[in-house]
Amino acid sequence: NAGVMQNPRHLVRRRGQEARLRCSPMKGHSHVYWYRQLPEEGLKFMVYLQKENIIDESGMPKERFSAEFPKEGPSILRIQQVVRGDSAAYFCASSPLLLLNTDTQYFGPGTRLTVL
Amino acid sequence: TQLLEQSPQFLSIQEGENLTVYCNSSSVFSSLQWYRQEPGEGPVLLVTVVTGGEVKKLKRLTFQFGDARKDSSLHITAAQPGDTGLYLCAGAEIGRDDKIIFGKGTRLHILP
Repeated sequence: NAGVMQNPRHLVRRRGQEARLRCSPMKGHSHVYWYRQLPEEGLKFMVYLQKENIIDESGMPKERFSAEFPKEGPSILRIQQVVRGDSAAYFCASSPLLLLNTDTQYFGPGTRLTVL
Repeated sequence: TQLLEQSPQFLSIQEGENLTVYCNSSSVFSSLQWYRQEPGEGPVLLVTVVTGGEVKKLKRLTFQFGDARKDSSLHITAAQPGDTGLYLCAGAEIGRDDKIIFGKGTRLHILP
């Protein structure tokens, strides 16, 4: 059973370009979470999605960032008009159900975004 | 304001020594998780503690959840170089099981 897949693993963009980060959850998982990690920092929650629904996007910047989890295909985190401050590691996690206190969320290997 | 404070931020000790790292908060959590993250990889779950006062052991690692469910500790006995990594604690606040909050982590380096 493959784990959470993220691609690309590394992404370099120039300021003003768009970045698209993809996350394929574990088989059978219908809940996806996106986190951002800056160097020497913990993970910061960005958004929680179920298939075709955004459940909680309270951690997502209001502008330039969007996320989707279509019925078919991976979850996409999209960053428009990237700036240097967007450089970070972006992690996706998935869980089979609503994350109750005994459930586990499984993390992907992350996408490291570098904005030049 | 950091909801989950981890200490120390950095720790470098010799192989064979014991160590304890801490995760503290003023908030009550329904559960706390400990993760280990290696460079270039995502966090890997080590343990989830749910009940106040709970103690869980994972080989040489001992995890404890505070009685009031506001803090947790991780104790490693006879540390080995393979224990090197970033240890993150994360918790779900009461009533917010859908959102996990992470501490900044303790970066542990075990010297051979």
